[in-house]
Amino acid sequence: QSVLTQPPSASGTPGQRVTISCSGSSSNIGRDTVNWYQQLPGTAPKLLIYSNNQRPSGVPDRFSGSKSGTSASLAISGLQSEDEADYHCAAWDDSLNGWVFGGGTKLTVL
Amino acid sequence: QVQLQQSGPGLVKPSQTLSLTCAISGDSVSSNSAAWNWIRQSPSRGLEWLGRTYYRSKWYNYYAVSVKSRITINPDTSKNQFSLQLNSVTPEDTAVYYCARGRGYVDLWGQGTLVTVSS
Repeated sequence: QSVLTQPPSASGTPGQRVTISCSGSSSNIGRDTVNWYQQLPGTAPKLLIYSNNQRPSGVPDRFSGSKSGTSASLAISGLQSEDEADYHCAAWDDSLNGWVFGGGTKLTVL
Repeated sequence: QVQLQQSGPGLVKPSQTLSLTCAISGDSVSSNSAAWNWIRQSPSRGLEWLGRTYYRSKWYNYYAVSVKSRITINPDTSKNQFSLQLNSVTPEDTAVYYCARGRGYVDLWGQGTLVTVSS
């Protein structure tokens, strides 16, 4: 069981906007920032969003993040077939003194 | 650019020690602004942080409670790399193991190594 809770799956059609949620607690998301990773099949996770809503250089502005209380969301607008991947949320946990992750959400582009 | 290159065996027998190395290029294991992590991923447990080492005037190591009695992460400044040792492995330790850099957040991952624990 992962410390952060994500839906196992999400889907959308090309051009649509989809959101993926991530729920935590006061010792992780409630206290620290949230990061999101995109993992294409057979590859390592890649940083997509950091510090709740910041995009690393090279990440399209179609990807955005937000946080409220002990929950966070990743939004993908203008969905494209290449966005089909697993998405993981992560945060530092002060009680566990380590990084915690969500179980991952598999995004399917229909 | 910064790269992390992992090496180590993909098959380990039960009760033996899993050993992996992560070579760093473009950054320093002794950096005062980075931490060097090991994270694993399995279908049953998802992504699981195992531990980290970092240098802030002296070396610090922190480990996940789930593996604390079995894990050692060591920096090697002469080779600019860091290593993972996990003792007394069982089939439940079968996973893809990643090394990763943290700078306030984990921003860079190694390519991953599938380690299977089987006799």
